[in-house]
Amino acid sequence: DADVTQTPRNRITKTGKRIMLECSQTKGHDRMYWYRQDPGLGLRLIYYSFDVKDINKGEISDGYSVSRQAQAKFSLSLESAIPNQTALYFCATSGGGLGYGYTFGSGTRLTVV
Amino acid sequence: GIQVEQSPPDLILQEGANSTLRCNFSDSVNNLQWFHQNPWGQLINLFYIPSGTKQNGRLSATTVATERYSLLYISSSQTTDSGVYFCAVINQAGTALIFGKGTTLSVSS
Repeated sequence: DADVTQTPRNRITKTGKRIMLECSQTKGHDRMYWYRQDPGLGLRLIYYSFDVKDINKGEISDGYSVSRQAQAKFSLSLESAIPNQTALYFCATSGGGLGYGYTFGSGTRLTVV
Repeated sequence: GIQVEQSPPDLILQEGANSTLRCNFSDSVNNLQWFHQNPWGQLINLFYIPSGTKQNGRLSATTVATERYSLLYISSSQTTDSGVYFCAVINQAGTALIFGKGTTLSVSS
């Protein structure tokens, strides 16, 4: 099994719909992140969480919300999807501290029509 | 906030060629990582290299933290090396990785 699992892998949804992207990890790490990738722009941080009771906004949090259901689970919601939220979404986890690398999920390709 | 710039934005190579990818960052860092995104979108961590040099097979990386740059070397490139290479550094608050825009590498046989 993958260390970081994202579901669904692909999703097409209509403008105005609510959609949830889910992420679970088996690394046992406390820190989890949601990033968004757009062509030519690299990855940008949406939200991050350092433990179950800690949620923080990233660079581009408008239009998104998150829920940290457990140490291993971190979900991202689009309350009312719009076409410019069409992107590749990545969940990641890290062990914290400066010596820990990041592990990314395989991504969710979301298309809003 | 910290800025991460990668060059070149695009690179086209014949199989067997060598290449150097560059990452410049605007402030001192103590965590720098290189990632490869394959054509299927999967992100693979290549190196955690805040300073010094590391090698892994045909790939090696060098970070000169005092001069604020890192280099990724790919020798004897193969078609499977194609994809996007990202450099990323920890932001100044120490909370998350900040990514450059990437270098897109295409290796043809």
